[in-house]
Amino acid sequence: GAVVSQHPSRVICKSGTSVKIECRSLDFQATTMFWYRQFPKQSLMLMATSNEGSKATYEQGVEKDKFLINHASLTLSTLTVTSAHPEDSSFYICSASRVGESQPQHFGDGTRLSIL
Amino acid sequence: GQQLNQSPQSMFIQEGEDVSMNCTSSSIFNTWLWYKQDPGEGPVLLIALYKAGELTSNGRLTAQFGITRKDSFLNISASIPSDVGIYFCAGLTQTGANNLFFGTGTRLTVIP
Repeated sequence: GAVVSQHPSRVICKSGTSVKIECRSLDFQATTMFWYRQFPKQSLMLMATSNEGSKATYEQGVEKDKFLINHASLTLSTLTVTSAHPEDSSFYICSASRVGESQPQHFGDGTRLSIL
Repeated sequence: GQQLNQSPQSMFIQEGEDVSMNCTSSSIFNTWLWYKQDPGEGPVLLIALYKAGELTSNGRLTAQFGITRKDSFLNISASIPSDVGIYFCAGLTQTGANNLFFGTGTRLTVIP
């Protein structure tokens, strides 16, 4: 159980393009989903916390107008990187926790974003 | 944010050897988690620790939640080639699914 699916797994696009990444909890409901960014050989850094039905909470230094997050249902959150530039190239990973008791976050397989 | 320091940064060991890595913080955490990440994939949860002093095993893996709540270790016994990957500790400062801070990672290489 506790499967989190991300799509797409890899994106290569031109500078200036907006890219949408989906995160789905396949077999459980998640009121909260999380978006992380991981640069090569570095740890995961939390970008934002996505709450179903409300605005996302962004970590310090993360531009909310550039990284748009929508959490439309208990099983889906989307991250849109608007007008992406080469410096936005990174590995983006989402995670989700079950509703109810404190549970560890379960992670998706990540999306490798490459901006040319 | 909170800083979790892992050591060692990387390890090269012979297949069959035991491995030990640890994670320390200057802050107190209520939950410690250990994840393994393979290249190009998301982290996979290995062990979750919820109580200071708790010692938990998952197959060949054993992890402990330090009494001070500021550290944790992960041991892997009788390593095998598929243990290769990056191991991250992560901590929650409060009970609940928020504020998960990741350690710097330990890269493990197992030589057959």
